[in-house]
Amino acid sequence: NAGVTQTPKFRVLKTGQSMTLLCAQDMNHEYMYWYRQDPGMGLRLIHYSVGEGTTAKGEVPDGYNVSRLKKQNFLLGLESAAPSQTSVYFCASRYEGRVTEAFFGQGTRLTVV
Amino acid sequence: GENVEQHPSTLSVQEGDSAVIKCTYSDSASNYFPWYKQELGKRPQLIIDIRSNVGEKKDQRIAVTLNKTAKHFSLHITETQPEDSAVYFCAASKGSNYQLIWGAGTKLIIKP
Repeated sequence: NAGVTQTPKFRVLKTGQSMTLLCAQDMNHEYMYWYRQDPGMGLRLIHYSVGEGTTAKGEVPDGYNVSRLKKQNFLLGLESAAPSQTSVYFCASRYEGRVTEAFFGQGTRLTVV
Repeated sequence: GENVEQHPSTLSVQEGDSAVIKCTYSDSASNYFPWYKQELGKRPQLIIDIRSNVGEKKDQRIAVTLNKTAKHFSLHITETQPEDSAVYFCAASKGSNYQLIWGAGTKLIIKP
């Protein structure tokens, strides 16, 4: 039982490059979330999904796209990376139906140069 | 939209003393208030949470209080230990989608 796993753990991109971050959970959770964490700030929600095939925008969605083709996977895409997207990205998941603990992945440190 | 403010940004206490971190929120419809602990380079981990129908909740050395009228909630850690050193985040949410709005964090330093 791995919980929530993010791939990759670290990445350096050049401005304009694209990449996809993968979040995988093995807890059969309905809800999944992508956050970014910048120094001196709390986590900010980028996009989230309430089930397979659904996605919705969070607080800071611009410059990102997401897909939830399988229940266990939630992908975060950067089509044209910018230095402002340098951050630590966290994925989280939780059960549907009641407000309860969200389980976080270990984070992805992304640097855009 | 919701806004969560957290104070102080840094808190240094002597080992064995108590620590209190305070958060205020703006949306009176918020009904769930978790606290997360994040150690350096690690993922956030839930340490305690409270729902709006409860005024106080305790779990061993940790307690959270909620004042809905004033729209603020606080984390209390008693008998602090070196392993309590970390960044603590408060958050608030409403509805079933669990869109958490996070405070900026408090760096807690426990002095030996």
